This record gives sequence, structure tokens and C-alpha cells, in this order.
Amino acid sequence: AQSVTQPDIHITVSEGASLELRCNYSYGATPYLFWYVQSPGQGLQLLLKYFSGDTLVQGIKGFEAEFKRSQSSFNLRKPSVHWSDAAEYFCAVGAFSGGYNKLIFGAGTRLAVHP
Amino acid sequence: GAGVSQSPSNKVTEKGKDVELRCDPISGHTALYWYRQSLGQGLEFLIYFQGNSAPDKSGLPSDRFSAERTGGSVSTLTIQRTQQEDSAVYLCASSPLVGTYEQYFGPGTRLTVT
Repeated sequence: AQSVTQPDIHITVSEGASLELRCNYSYGATPYLFWYVQSPGQGLQLLLKYFSGDTLVQGIKGFEAEFKRSQSSFNLRKPSVHWSDAAEYFCAVGAFSGGYNKLIFGAGTRLAVHP
Repeated sequence: GAGVSQSPSNKVTEKGKDVELRCDPISGHTALYWYRQSLGQGLEFLIYFQGNSAPDKSGLPSDRFSAERTGGSVSTLTIQRTQQEDSAVYLCASSPLVGTYEQYFGPGTRLTVT
């Protein structure tokens, strides 16, 4: 069965430091992978997505993610974190199941940013 | 263009009352999803609509929960005889076409049952 694991429930970084959020997926075929961000009191906003091609994908707000098939990973990175990046981050894999397309979400990683 | 909208943004209700939550998807989006997010938790899938039909209702937690979609557009999630454990943020998402995985989310409705 398809699944997504985000090993880190909470992460705290200092403003200006680099960031890497981990995501591991389980999926039999070439995955469609997504990162969403949820700011406090808001819905989910798509940060970036991977379908095929270049394994390093760029997203909004200065984020990037790298697809590594050998490690079944799709980690999210940012070279320099801003206080406004404090939010919850969800990794998801697209799956065709039950006759339709669905997203399988990880449990999320909550990011805190210290000044 | 307009995104997914949900109303109300906040709803406080007494235990045992019925509530209706509304989702207005992006115009032309044929697929619509409802999720529930309890405090500090991830997303729990509730129901999927393709047009006006709901081929997957497997995530509805009990028969107190129901949903409908009319005109292939607006959807309403109804919770009857609300319980305190129903307190959560209810998120709606829509998707443009069959064959795509990308979902666009609304801001959610925060439901508090007292």
C-alpha cells in the first residue's frame, strides 16, 4: 500500500539557518510527489511538485526538493529560513486507488523558527 | 482567479446540534475532496466527489456525517447530532481534471463543539 512517512514531528531552526525536512514514500511505480505548507489558521498551499524529469525541483518561497529513487525520499530544503516559514509542512504522494486519483499525506512536520 | 472558498470560517455549536459546512470549489474543477484535521494531527480523508456523485465515502467516520454536491459545484458537509470529538478543522480541496493529482485547498472551517 502507498504511504508517506515524515520522521520529524517538530523541528526548530534559527532564522537564517538552512533547513531540510525529510519525506519517505512507499509506492510501486514512479511517484507523483508534492510538498504543501499550512500556515497557522490557513489551508494547505502547494509549495512544489515532482512528476518526472529533473530530480531537483524548485518551488515557491525559495524552497526546493530532491527526488531520490534509490532512497525513496523527497526531502524539502531551503538554504536560509525566514521567520515567516514557521508553519506545518506536509509531504504527499499521488496514488490511483479505488478508481480515482488521490493524495496520500504524511503526518506533517511542524517547523518553528527562532529569531 | 478565485480559489476554493469555505464557509463559515469558524463555527461554535452545542453538542447535539446539526451543522452544515459549505465548500465552493474553483470554477470548472470536477473533483472535490473533504478532509478533517484534528488538533495537532494530519489530514484525515472523509469523502471524494466526481461531479455530483461520491464514489468514495469510505472516510466518513459515522452515519452522522453526510455530504452532497449539487450542479457539480458547491458541496455541503453535514454533521448531525454533533459530539465533542467532532471538533476539528474541516478542509475542502478541488482538482481540475480527471487524471491529475494536484489538489487546491480552501482555508478550512474550524468547528468547535461545546
